[in-house]
Amino acid sequence: ETGVTQTPRHLVMGMTNKKSLKCEQHLGHNAMYWYKQSAKKPLELMFVYNFKEQTENNSVPSRFSPECPNSSHLFLHLHTLQPEDSALYLCASSHPGTGGGNTEAFFGQGTRLTVV
Amino acid sequence: AQSVTQLGSHVSVSEGALVLLRCNYSSSVPPYLFWYVQYPNQGLQLLLKYTSAATLVKGINGFEAEFKKSETSFHLTKPSAHMSDAAEYFCAVRDTGNQFYFGTGTSLTVIP
Repeated sequence: ETGVTQTPRHLVMGMTNKKSLKCEQHLGHNAMYWYKQSAKKPLELMFVYNFKEQTENNSVPSRFSPECPNSSHLFLHLHTLQPEDSALYLCASSHPGTGGGNTEAFFGQGTRLTVV
Repeated sequence: AQSVTQLGSHVSVSEGALVLLRCNYSSSVPPYLFWYVQYPNQGLQLLLKYTSAATLVKGINGFEAEFKKSETSFHLTKPSAHMSDAAEYFCAVRDTGNQFYFGTGTSLTVIP
């Protein structure tokens, strides 16, 4: 248990569906991240939020829409996905700075997404 | 931008043998370095981290890593492999902001 909770753990959706992934942390972190992990590929950073403000969008297609209503919650809204979007989606959080040795990212268990 | 390179996407060792997973970083400033482990269909779990306090860092499950500035390396070792060590291992570096840069991962197989 890392303190970062992702729901759902598994999701199967059709290409015309709309769904959302949820990430929640109560570690007092103010930076939150979405990563995509596909088979045989490196971990891909998708979005970074710092104090609820998006600070990084790594050229992610618009069919992925993040939302960060507060520092504890992060959502990834999905619509009209493609089969190649099937992957493990990981949420992470960290302290925004590196002071006090609080440097690492804490990861959730991930959501295994399958687009059919 | 910073980066890490993990040499060897697959490593196999016999149970009880030394585990050595390699990681080299590129950084123009003293880095924050990490090793994470990932079991199938799980998130990444922190094994250990380097934050300049000591060059030899001890982590969980008997793993340790040594920061070598002259070689820009942060290799992960464990004296004696256990079957439960079979997993994917990721080296990562953080800049002074919020960006984490991950290596491509090394899959460790432990042969009984």
